[in-house]
Amino acid sequence: QQQVKQSPQSLIVQKGGISIINCAYENTAFDYFPWYQQFPGKGPALLIAIRPDVSEKKEGRFTISFNKSAKQFSLHIMDSQPGDSATYFCAARTGAYNFNKFYFGSGTKLNVKP
Amino acid sequence: AAGVIQSPRHLIKEKRETATLKCYPIPRHDTVYWYQQGPGQDPQFLISFYEKMQSDKGSIPDRFSAQQFSDYHSELNMSSLELGDSALYFCASASQGAENIQYFGAGTRLSVL
Repeated sequence: QQQVKQSPQSLIVQKGGISIINCAYENTAFDYFPWYQQFPGKGPALLIAIRPDVSEKKEGRFTISFNKSAKQFSLHIMDSQPGDSATYFCAARTGAYNFNKFYFGSGTKLNVKP
Repeated sequence: AAGVIQSPRHLIKEKRETATLKCYPIPRHDTVYWYQQGPGQDPQFLISFYEKMQSDKGSIPDRFSAQQFSDYHSELNMSSLELGDSALYFCASASQGAENIQYFGAGTRLSVL
């Protein structure tokens, strides 16, 4: 059973457009929500992350919106560029310190058309 | 900045053979996580170590074992390999703290023929 549900599975966006990827969870014990970006043949790279006491976090063109009551969070990529084409995974963490366990969403393959 | 180093990058084995994957965490990171990622799949957690002790166990087959050494590097040992073991294997490292952010290595692509 997927602890973190991610949608859409794939996304095609025109250059300059906004890419939106959504994730939902049920476990209220999750206390940290990172997003990872993965290029083919490479390891996932941390992109941006948010704690549940914050409703929004912005880093450059990347923004996480977090709705604690709805148990949903989303990644917005503004002014999407062809170089953003990758697979994006949301994740959620539970546990304390180094006994943390991370649960990943199923991934969204983003294709930004030039 | 130093990153997580995994070796080898690619490995080709035959059924029933054994394989050893190595992971060298970021300096001063004391926790290592192992993941298996099949084609088009999300990373599946296998096992983790903190300060050389197993801290958590996920969907790791009994044919696999792992350990973390005194220098904090970790090895994943895989025996009696099956075709279904073909996947990308990622190691991630983290340091104790409030964020405990996992940083991933580039992975080892294992092909079992």
